[in-house]
Amino acid sequence: DGGITQSPKYLFRKEGQNVTLSCEQNLNHDAMYWYRQDPGQGLRLIYYSQIVNDFQKGDIAEGYSVSREKKESFPLTVTSAQKNPTAFYLCASSMDGNYGYTFGSGTRLTVV
Amino acid sequence: QQQVKQSPQSLIVQKGGISIINCAYENTAFDYFPWYQQFPGKGPALLIAIRPDVSEKKEGRFTISFNKSAKQFSLHIMDSQPGDSATYFCAASRQTGANNLFFGTGTRLTVIP
Repeated sequence: DGGITQSPKYLFRKEGQNVTLSCEQNLNHDAMYWYRQDPGQGLRLIYYSQIVNDFQKGDIAEGYSVSREKKESFPLTVTSAQKNPTAFYLCASSMDGNYGYTFGSGTRLTVV
Repeated sequence: QQQVKQSPQSLIVQKGGISIINCAYENTAFDYFPWYQQFPGKGPALLIAIRPDVSEKKEGRFTISFNKSAKQFSLHIMDSQPGDSATYFCAASRQTGANNLFFGTGTRLTVIP
């Protein structure tokens, strides 16, 4: 079955560490997205990528980095520069054009 | 600037009642309006979607009503059940351009038995 796989489901980070969240899709979607969701909050866009080797900042890109070396993969690195990284992170993908998004099941990141 | 405005922020409905969530938009270039349902600890999942050439779309107990002239659309959940308790996001999409889906801020629905 096609879908989006996010891993790990839970992740703990120490202060000052970088961590990388994985997102893989086998839907042959061109576009991929990373969102952050805080408790009781909506979805805030971190980064998005329309094609391989190209990506754009979203509304809250500071302290995050991404890469898009393969169509199927769009990993997100939460750097030590992100001062409040504890949140639920969602990856999504979409076909090019006027379609909705397919979301992964999320990664919950906690700073310890 | 919020491209899609959603209300209410939270909603409590008795079992068997009707849940209504409203959204409004300004950009007339939007031409695809999906609703997503999110359970705690899960990613949002597409629930139902509508395009502006129709005024209503129904799938089971879920109905989208669309008012193009008012630039508003709403989700109605008939015979609401405790299992419908979730956060609901409306969204709007334009056909061209990158990052083409804009989300509302979400409505937390609680259906009490």
